[in-house]
Amino acid sequence: DTGVSQNPRHKITKRGQNVTFRCDPISEHNRLYWYRQTLGQGPEFLTYFQNEAQLEKSRLLSDRFSAERPKGSFSTLEIQRTEQGDSAMYLCASSYQVTQYFGPGTRLTVL
Amino acid sequence: GNSVTQMEGPVTLSEEAFLTINCTYTATGYPSLFWYVQYPGEGLQLLLKATKADDKGSNKGFEATYRKETTSFHLEKGSVQVSDSAVYFCALSDRTDSWGKLQFGAGTQVVVTP
Repeated sequence: DTGVSQNPRHKITKRGQNVTFRCDPISEHNRLYWYRQTLGQGPEFLTYFQNEAQLEKSRLLSDRFSAERPKGSFSTLEIQRTEQGDSAMYLCASSYQVTQYFGPGTRLTVL
Repeated sequence: GNSVTQMEGPVTLSEEAFLTINCTYTATGYPSLFWYVQYPGEGLQLLLKATKADDKGSNKGFEATYRKETTSFHLEKGSVQVSDSAVYFCALSDRTDSWGKLQFGAGTQVVVTP
């Protein structure tokens, strides 16, 4: 069973550093989504791709955040010049139609 | 805009008790509705879904019925187990938004004691 995978699972970084996360969706899923979840809250939408096209970006996604899905398969989410407020769980999901399936997440801690 | 409101937790129950978690929504279009569950230290797992009015989603003893007239999608289970302890999220996806994103509630923590 090849579900959605995310790497790394945990990332600790110092403020001001750049970090990059990777998401591998379920095979043949054409849509890929990124969400952010802070403690005690539900996930908040960041952005999504249909194949390699980035179709929507949330206002939460500041200029320091960039996401790519160059070949319509895996995706990367980069955060530049990290801030302590970026500390959160970053979740990736994929879908073929309506139902989204989530990966285990990458927990980012910015010191 | 779209929104989801869930009852606040934590909800603490004894094993074999009846569980209800209330969820109501606001949507501009005609959404699909979902319940996801998050066990400690894990990602979100799809628990059940319903795509149109009066549909009932069910899985692992949990049920929820899509009620358009009351804009609700309450989650129920007749007899909970300790292993049901988790955080439960209600969510919607709206076709007028090209099914682009899930809008989540804040989550309800459920604690089941032996």
